[in-house]
Amino acid sequence: GQQLNQSPQSMFIQEGEDVSMNCTSSSIFNTWLWYKQDPGEGPVLLIALYKAGELTSNGRLTAQFGITRKDSFLNISASIPSDVGIYFCAGQLITGNTGKLIFGQGTTLQVKP
Amino acid sequence: GAGVSQTPSNKVTEKGKYVELRCDPISGHTALYWYRQSLGQGPEFLIYFQGTGAADDSGLPNDRFFAVRPEGSVSTLKIQRTERGDSAVYLCASSPKRLSSYNEQFFGPGTRLTVL
Repeated sequence: GQQLNQSPQSMFIQEGEDVSMNCTSSSIFNTWLWYKQDPGEGPVLLIALYKAGELTSNGRLTAQFGITRKDSFLNISASIPSDVGIYFCAGQLITGNTGKLIFGQGTTLQVKP
Repeated sequence: GAGVSQTPSNKVTEKGKYVELRCDPISGHTALYWYRQSLGQGPEFLIYFQGTGAADDSGLPNDRFFAVRPEGSVSTLKIQRTERGDSAVYLCASSPKRLSSYNEQFFGPGTRLTVL
């Protein structure tokens, strides 16, 4: 099935470092979302972006909706151990009315205390 | 709790068997989604319900997969003649209302299906 191209696939960083991950797509989306998934749990929404060019923050997280509607990035500042997990980008297609989400492959983040 | 619940949390079955996976959405949520997540991948859309009807089943991989939501609340995903390739985590999500713009989808913890 269709998926977004998300990178990097994994990251291993030191506590306190900043993190950046991004997603690209060949399709245009009208909404971009970033989720975090912990082991044995479903994805939890972190940030939702609704407009091209929009830059939104949620605490130490910042995400932007690309101007072309085909990409987005997520930054995490001053990482802490509880940031460990898998981060997914997801787009909602502009056509149709189902609201189904198309997910990236995920970025696995490990934080060394 | 008031979140989306899924049962069972784990299901091990043999190739060729029939399985049912259940999803209890958040009370009052009219939209319900099923996704499948293979190891190391992001979730992939299977089917979307608005109320009792399947409004989009374009993600179902083949006719062995079927889902129902007879009363507009609980949904059951049914898989016939299971194959080893069906092994994955099956996620359910619900959303408050019919979509005209994005409404957050709240995910359950998933059912891990293993087909031996």
